[in-house]
Amino acid sequence: EAQVTQNPRYLITVTGKKLTVTCSQNMNHEYMSWYRQDPGLGLRQIYYSMNVEVTDKGDVPEGYKVSRKEKRNFPLILESPSPNQTSLYFCASRPYSTGGLGFTGELFFGEGSRLTVL
Amino acid sequence: DAKTTQPPSMDCAEGRAANLPCNHSTISGNEYVYWYRQIHSQGPQYIIHGLKNNETNEMASLIITEDRKSSTLILPHATLRDTAVYYCIVRPHTGNQFYFGTGTSLTVIP
Repeated sequence: EAQVTQNPRYLITVTGKKLTVTCSQNMNHEYMSWYRQDPGLGLRQIYYSMNVEVTDKGDVPEGYKVSRKEKRNFPLILESPSPNQTSLYFCASRPYSTGGLGFTGELFFGEGSRLTVL
Repeated sequence: DAKTTQPPSMDCAEGRAANLPCNHSTISGNEYVYWYRQIHSQGPQYIIHGLKNNETNEMASLIITEDRKSSTLILPHATLRDTAVYYCIVRPHTGNQFYFGTGTSLTVIP
């Protein structure tokens, strides 16, 4: 089954304790990205990656790191989490368009990771 | 920047058509209209997209006005499982920007 898998789904942690949220997709998509969702603010993009070893900042990258060493994995790293990073996080991937037009607009999302930082 | 305007909430009776409007008066010629939905706090799900012609798939229909300044997503026979937040997004077919906004919260009523 084609899917984007995130882990953990739920996590409660404390300020300053480094954590990593993993994301893996089995669809051979080049493009992957991370979003956070907060009440009243919708989904905001944190980082995205257009291929292995290629990453770029989204709208709200502060306090986050990412890496893309393999095509299927795109972990989100919080080096020193703070309470304002309490949020619902989504990983997404999308395919390259046939015909060489670039990445399509059809995003495939994971089920989300709810993170609470105390 | 918000490129679309959607009503914050709507109700629809089960079995009836749900018509969700979206205004995108500043849409440019190379921008498509995409619709996604998010059920409870699950990951958003792609529904449909279009450029200027009306589109239909197994989930929904998309009606885009001739001047492309607005569109309507139609769920022909709404069920309780269609209760979700629906996002209208305007973007180039390719590119990296996805602005989801806050969408329309649709409640299907039994």
